[in-house]
Amino acid sequence: DAGVIQSPRHEVTEMGQEVTLRCKPISGHNSLFWYRQTMMRGLELLIYFNNNVPIDDSGMPEDRFSAKMPNASFSTLKIQPSEPRDSAVYFCASSVDREPEAFFGQGTRLTVV
Amino acid sequence: AQKVTQAQTEISVVEKEDVTLDCVYETRDTTYYLFWYKQPPSGELVFLIRRNSFDEQNEISGRYSWNFQKSTSSFNFTITASQVVDSAVYFCALSKGGSGFGNEKLTFGTGTRLTIIP
Repeated sequence: DAGVIQSPRHEVTEMGQEVTLRCKPISGHNSLFWYRQTMMRGLELLIYFNNNVPIDDSGMPEDRFSAKMPNASFSTLKIQPSEPRDSAVYFCASSVDREPEAFFGQGTRLTVV
Repeated sequence: AQKVTQAQTEISVVEKEDVTLDCVYETRDTTYYLFWYKQPPSGELVFLIRRNSFDEQNEISGRYSWNFQKSTSSFNFTITASQVVDSAVYFCALSKGGSGFGNEKLTFGTGTRLTIIP
């Protein structure tokens, strides 16, 4: 079975530009999580969805960040406008009810210059 | 609030030695889950194990074993006869029991970088 698929794997963009990260969860999984990993803050949750509905977005840094899950097989994380401090690895993960372990995608390494 | 502490920032051992990675957690939840993940140099996060708060039975999987002790709020991970391929950053994580809104978020420790010296 295919795992969690994220695209792009690497993104380099200029400050002020819009960035969209994409995630396809494992088929049949109904919880989807967006995490960010930095040296300073480690792994932190940005937002998570259950059955396509946002449950907890308290980790979203500010209004520049937004996430959507229009259907069970696709989610996006958008940053507009991007800033250098947004540079990090962004992970998407998914899980299924009663199986609380989350399976992670390969991550998107974002560099904002 | 939940908290996971991995006090060992970096560990280096010679190949074939045994090594234990420590994890201490804090939670007020009566039902919770504990996890270990591995992040090799390639960067992905690989799920290793999950334990439920109501099951303190230790687990062994090949060279890997896990010791869960509620009395000390610890969930330690031991690698026996370490190999170079075990070199990675290892994360301990915690989540509370499901709330009816699906699975809960993971709270991660800061990770332990393990280097196996050939």
